[in-house]
Amino acid sequence: QVQLQESGPGLVKPSETLSLTCNVSGYPIDYSIGHSGFYWAWVRQPPGKGLEWIGNIHHSGTAFYNPSLKSRVTLSVDTSMKQFSLTLTSVTATDTAVYYCARRDLKYYFDLWGQGTLVTVSS
Amino acid sequence: QSALTQPPSASGSPGQSVTISCTGLSNDYNHVSWYQQHPGKAPKLLIYEVSERPSGVPDRFSGSKSDNTASLTVSGLQAGDEAAYYCSSYAGSNNLVFGGGTKLTVL
Repeated sequence: QVQLQESGPGLVKPSETLSLTCNVSGYPIDYSIGHSGFYWAWVRQPPGKGLEWIGNIHHSGTAFYNPSLKSRVTLSVDTSMKQFSLTLTSVTATDTAVYYCARRDLKYYFDLWGQGTLVTVSS
Repeated sequence: QSALTQPPSASGSPGQSVTISCTGLSNDYNHVSWYQQHPGKAPKLLIYEVSERPSGVPDRFSGSKSDNTASLTVSGLQAGDEAAYYCSSYAGSNNLVFGGGTKLTVL
């Protein structure tokens, strides 16, 4: 059974850097036999609001970002640790959200999701 | 990139059918997906590639697309269908966009 689990600080101060990690179990993050492999993604949801795609990364290291966040976001992947990570710099209160990690198919849909982790930006 | 447009709310009685729209899609791609989200839970994939259902999703959920609008139809409404529903689509240039979400109420 494939599972994704987010981890990281639940509170970040304004202007600082938000860092989250997603651990993947039950599926090799770099599996690509007969398949180009999945992308590993981050999606966030401010309290009471809708979903926002942040970006996704392939195990090869190829990453794509939401243009509105691109200047502040970096994704990375560690296949040996079976995890991928999100870094968001210069955070403000508007970055307060539940952050989800997810598996993204090559056809641009998210078939598996983590349970989500709330990150609050506050001093 | 702009979010896709969904009605903020929809409702129906048990047993009825409800259709939720999602506008602002590109005519160039059919990579449209739909997600169901219950309060406090992670989204769950309902539909992908406009009208395909993952294993385990009841056939009461169906999807379609015409021009720049996609639709999700929930037939035979049940109390457990009360949730928020989000559409998502490939927006070109390796970008993805979500709709604003529709809260479905079962009366």
